[in-house]
Amino acid sequence: DTEVTQTPKHLVMGMTNKKSLKCEQHMGHRAMYWYKQKAKKPPELMFVYSYEKLSINESVPSRFSPECPNSSLLNLHLHALQPEDSALYLCASSPARGGRSQPQHFGDGTRLSIL
Amino acid sequence: DQQVKQNSPSLSVQEGRISILNCDYTNSMFDYFLWYKKYPAEGPTFLISISSIKDKNEDGRFTVFLNKSAKHLSLHIVPSQPGDSAVYFCAASAKRGSTLGRLYFGRGTQLTVWP
Repeated sequence: DTEVTQTPKHLVMGMTNKKSLKCEQHMGHRAMYWYKQKAKKPPELMFVYSYEKLSINESVPSRFSPECPNSSLLNLHLHALQPEDSALYLCASSPARGGRSQPQHFGDGTRLSIL
Repeated sequence: DQQVKQNSPSLSVQEGRISILNCDYTNSMFDYFLWYKKYPAEGPTFLISISSIKDKNEDGRFTVFLNKSAKHLSLHIVPSQPGDSAVYFCAASAKRGSTLGRLYFGRGTQLTVWP
């Protein structure tokens, strides 16, 4: 069982819909991450939050909007997505961003399909 | 530009034998290296890591070796078990500089352990 919980596990949405992906961790981690993974490819970093502040945005299109309401929660708001945005969206957390060498722990992801 | 490379997309090993998965990197700023295991429909699971101040780290059946001069690391699994069949990702990060907090992943190696 993963200690990073992502909901929903699956999401199908149309290109005009607005939806949100949610991620929660209760390990006291202060860094949280969003990744996108396509089939047979490695995870690609999208956003990094450190102490609830956005510290890295990997030039992600504005149709993806991250939010970190508190240190345990991370959201990804989706609007007007394109079919090529269909992928597995992974959330991860780590004790801190960089600094001491600590691994990132991943959730099981949300499988997103855009019709 | 792929800074972490796993040149073998697949590896097939008999149960009980040793599995050796290889990984090369190009960025000399990397100083922390990780291996993740991924089953289908799940997120990556942290397996083992090594800091650049070490050349070997062992955890049960899993050992990671780091050769800094060659910018090469390997994961040894012995003895291999059918439950080890998964995709293995090598990842690297730097504790300093603009890449702080970012994990760079290889493309993964599909390990199949047959009875």
